[in-house]
Amino acid sequence: QVQLVQSGAEMKKPGASVKVSCRTSGYPFGAFYVHWVRQAPGQGLEWLGRILPDSAGTAYSPKFQGRVTITRDMSIGTVYMELSSLRPDDTAVYYCARGDSLFDFWGQGTLVAVSS
Amino acid sequence: DIQMTQSPSSLSASVGDKVTITCQASQDITNYVNWYQQRPGKAPKLLIYQTSNLEKGVPSRFSGSGSRTDFTFTISSLQPEDIATYYCQQYDDFPLTFGGGTRLEI
Repeated sequence: QVQLVQSGAEMKKPGASVKVSCRTSGYPFGAFYVHWVRQAPGQGLEWLGRILPDSAGTAYSPKFQGRVTITRDMSIGTVYMELSSLRPDDTAVYYCARGDSLFDFWGQGTLVAVSS
Repeated sequence: DIQMTQSPSSLSASVGDKVTITCQASQDITNYVNWYQQRPGKAPKLLIYQTSNLEKGVPSRFSGSGSRTDFTFTISSLQPEDIATYYCQQYDDFPLTFGGGTRLEI
């Protein structure tokens, strides 16, 4: 069955970077986009960007362009999202999700807390 | 960015009620809208894709309709397990954007 399993919670100080992983299984890894979506506490959903593992082609939200980098490791079916220059308002649950224009399978979410 | 204005932001209804949520896009997005359900503490779940297509395994009491800028999500007969927040999402253009969510209470 399709699974996306994310790395554990992170606590970071302002200005630091965080790298969250999303290990996939149960489907041909290279053929499906993997997106990153975040949700601040009590807030809605916000799209950060996506990658197509086969080509490593990426697209990012202009809001995060320059701060977010999405990469993949084909050998272990894993996608990574790195967010730099963290601010307290980056505190959120970060989700990876599979899909082209829709998100049909999701990871369990990773809490990233940013505080001095 | 394409803005997705979702209403209402919260809704209280009774078991068996028909519930309707609307989403208005800031520009014509053809029929490129998906709908998700998010239960507390869980990841969102895809219910409807491309305006009106029911995802596999989703009960038929859920449905969607609309075109261009105006879209509707309907639960025909509300069940207790439908307590959740619902989101619309457009994929006509980057960045992909979501509505603000509708919190459904019973």
